Amino acid sequence: SQQGEEDPQALSIQEGENATMNCSYKTSINNLQWYRQNSGRGLVHLILIRSNEREKHSGRLRVTLDTSKKSSSLLITASRAADTASYFCATASSYGQNFVFGPGTRLSVLP
Amino acid sequence: EAGVAQSPRYKIIEKRQSVAFWCNPISGHATLYWYQQILGQGPKLLIQFQNNGVVDDSQLPKDRFSAERLKGVDSTLKIQPAKLEDSAVYLCASSLNSLQGLLGGGLKNTEAFFGQGTRLTVV
Repeated sequence: SQQGEEDPQALSIQEGENATMNCSYKTSINNLQWYRQNSGRGLVHLILIRSNEREKHSGRLRVTLDTSKKSSSLLITASRAADTASYFCATASSYGQNFVFGPGTRLSVLP
Repeated sequence: EAGVAQSPRYKIIEKRQSVAFWCNPISGHATLYWYQQILGQGPKLLIQFQNNGVVDDSQLPKDRFSAERLKGVDSTLKIQPAKLEDSAVYLCASSLNSLQGLLGGGLKNTEAFFGQGTRLTVV
């Protein structure tokens, strides 16, 4: 079964608004990563947050990690139409390196 | 830096036929992954290589799927015979993770770089 579970499954917002996606996982992790996938394309790495970190920023992206709740959130501020894509969280376990992906959140940013 | 190369981009075959996918990872990347992504779902790991050794193939349907990375560089994934439910995008990814890092106990999980994928349709 998949480790990560994104929420919501689909999100539709207007350009300029903020988008928040959540990820919950079940077992202990070494790190959690967020990826973006445009339709018909491969995945693009966005940001990695380690288990001993609580918050990380990269441009318009802000990621938080709460290991006590086994959850993470991805915030995209001032969204653009080009942000329309599916977003996946992937967890890497403490004892291995394989990344386990959730089912993803489909984000639509309307112009 | 060149990205992860995969071929072919698209493949249509009939059920019970065989198919092979090829992946060339980023130069110097020790770890190579094959993922299967069914439409509307997240990628599912099929197999993970560290150089030319298998790290994890627990979710690989070994009765029909096989993969190799003989020289620790490029890799092939084969399906024989294919079933209708194998229709999916097959993604190859690589990451820098070094064997030295593994042996030292300091598992460094670095980002994975993905290829564009091969879209397989089994009819």
